[in-house]
Amino acid sequence: DTGVSQNPRHKITKRGQNVTFRCDPISEHNRLYWYRQTLGQGPEFLTYFQNEAQLEKSRLLSDRFSAERPKGSFSTLEIQRTEQGDSAMYLCASREDRASAAFFGQGTRLTVV
Amino acid sequence: AQKVTQAQTEISVVEKEDVTLDCVYETRDTTYYLFWYKQPPSGELVFLIRRNSFDEQNEISGRYSWNFQKSTSSFNFTITASQVVDSAVYFCALSEAGTGNQFYFGTGTSLTVIP
Repeated sequence: DTGVSQNPRHKITKRGQNVTFRCDPISEHNRLYWYRQTLGQGPEFLTYFQNEAQLEKSRLLSDRFSAERPKGSFSTLEIQRTEQGDSAMYLCASREDRASAAFFGQGTRLTVV
Repeated sequence: AQKVTQAQTEISVVEKEDVTLDCVYETRDTTYYLFWYKQPPSGELVFLIRRNSFDEQNEISGRYSWNFQKSTSSFNFTITASQVVDSAVYFCALSEAGTGNQFYFGTGTSLTVIP
């Protein structure tokens, strides 16, 4: 296990469809984050897990977005009824503790057409 | 309010020039952590350095150096003798120990090194 893994790398979907992304963090990291990044912007926080507990969720996050981390290992991010404004890079990161650096996956690029 | 400000949107330098990327942060926590990440065209965010709020020692790693000054809430990043491979978007980020665990990112500085 050499890093954070995200699947798929790219996803094109029609407006109104549901999509699900997966993130496999670094195995010994109990903290997992989802971020969204649009062109020319910095990553924007979506949600945070410590083990299986979802401890923080952005107030900007629509209720069409849901994330899970069922056994404290991998995580999924689902977007229901996708909209064109959901088109972005979705980044997952994991972290060993609150003082350490976060390591990011390569991201899933979502395009809603 | 923006917690991390990177005022330089784009910088271009000629190869071998030195370049400094600015980062100003805002926090009320006494314990916090600052980071720099590099995002090359491939898209993956690559961790470069971490600094905690109690350690104001400047750090040098090869051609990279970081200047942390609490008095001005700045954490600037200097690349010496820049190379074409340094071309990327660089992000400064803040994580607060007290209130939450998320990383606050700046808007990034796009660096282009011209051969």
